[in-house]
Amino acid sequence: QLQLQESGPGLVKPSETLSLTCTVSGGSISSSNYYWGWIRQPPGKGLEWIGSIYYSGSTYYNPSLKSRVTLSVDTSKNQFSLKLTSVTAADTAVYYCARLGFTVTYLDSWGQGTLVTVSS
Amino acid sequence: DIQMTQSPSSLSASVGDRVTITCQASQDISFGLNWYQQKAPKAPKLLIYNASDLESGVPSRFSGSGSGTHFTFTISSLQPEDIATYYCQQYHNLPPITFGQGTRLEIK
Repeated sequence: QLQLQESGPGLVKPSETLSLTCTVSGGSISSSNYYWGWIRQPPGKGLEWIGSIYYSGSTYYNPSLKSRVTLSVDTSKNQFSLKLTSVTAADTAVYYCARLGFTVTYLDSWGQGTLVTVSS
Repeated sequence: DIQMTQSPSSLSASVGDRVTITCQASQDISFGLNWYQQKAPKAPKLLIYNASDLESGVPSRFSGSGSGTHFTFTISSLQPEDIATYYCQQYHNLPPITFGQGTRLEIK
């Protein structure tokens, strides 16, 4: 059974870089059938897609965040990562990693989510 | 970007009721729409993909329909465990993937 687990600091200072890693177990991140992505949800609000990455390293980002976001993948560790630079309080959210279908872009498997708070 | 407008933003219904949520896209997205259920404080769960295909293991009381710009999500007979927030998500024109603002469903 596929499992995804987010990890990283729960508190980041304003203007610094948020870094999270998603570890995939029970399946290979190198599958040609899927992308891997990040979604966030500010407290009490809706879902915002951040970006997605293929095992080859191909990426696509939300244009609203593109200038601050970098996704990377480490197939040897079955992990992919998110870096979000110059964070502000508006970046406080629960961050989810997820698997995305390649042909039909659904998000069919999610991590449990991790709350990241931006505060000094 | 394609904007997704869900309605209503919240609704209250009784056990056994038929419940309908709509999602309107700002432009034609063909069948490129998925529906999710989110029970706080958990991650969303995929229910319907490709507008009307039921994800494996999801009860048949959940269904989806529509194409183009207008989509409908239906629970045929509301159960207590269906208390959740429901989101639509479009994938026709990427990036970005965009979600509706959510519909909070409560039991009367």
